[in-house]
Amino acid sequence: EAGVAQSPRYKIIEKRQSVAFWCNPISGHATLYWYQQILGQGPKLLIQFQNNGVVDDSQLPKDRFSAERLKGVDSTLKIQPAKLEDSAVYLCASSSLLAGYPGYNEQFFGPGTRLTVL
Amino acid sequence: TQLLEQSPQFLSIQEGENLTVYCNSSSVFSSLQWYRQEPGEGPVLLVTVVTGGEVKKLKRLTFQFGDARKDSSLHITAAQPGDTGLYLCAGVGGNQFYFGTGTSLTVIP
Repeated sequence: EAGVAQSPRYKIIEKRQSVAFWCNPISGHATLYWYQQILGQGPKLLIQFQNNGVVDDSQLPKDRFSAERLKGVDSTLKIQPAKLEDSAVYLCASSSLLAGYPGYNEQFFGPGTRLTVL
Repeated sequence: TQLLEQSPQFLSIQEGENLTVYCNSSSVFSSLQWYRQEPGEGPVLLVTVVTGGEVKKLKRLTFQFGDARKDSSLHITAAQPGDTGLYLCAGVGGNQFYFGTGTSLTVIP
């Protein structure tokens, strides 16, 4: 079974530029998550999709970040314009409920995209 | 806002030593998970604990869920260099995951 794919793996941009990240989840996984992870810290949820609908985007800085999941499969996360504090690893994860019980839900993560904003 | 606090934040030990990592929250969760993340990779699930007071063992790793389902601990016996990584706890509520602050472990050969 193929894992979660992300691209690019690394990106370096200047502040105020735009950047986009792509994620392809595990086939059949209805839920897709985007996280921001500062080096050495735990991931912070940016947005969660269930199929192509948004479940939670309460921590997404909507003035500069946007995300979409067309057709309930692939997803893109965009930052426009980027700030220095956006430098982080952006992780995509997908999950599929087991036996309908959230307690047994497991997230599968991609390798992440490391963004450096200069 | 992080709902789960992990301690210690950093840990550097010699091979063969034992260690315990703690994950504390004021919130009750349906279950609690532990992940390990290696440099350049995404987190990988180690275990899920569901019942208050539950203890699970995976070889040299022992996981415990607090009776009130608010806290958890991870104990590693006879640590090895391969245990090096970032350990993350995650509280599960509904279909959402709340990650802890992380514990960076380095095991020196």
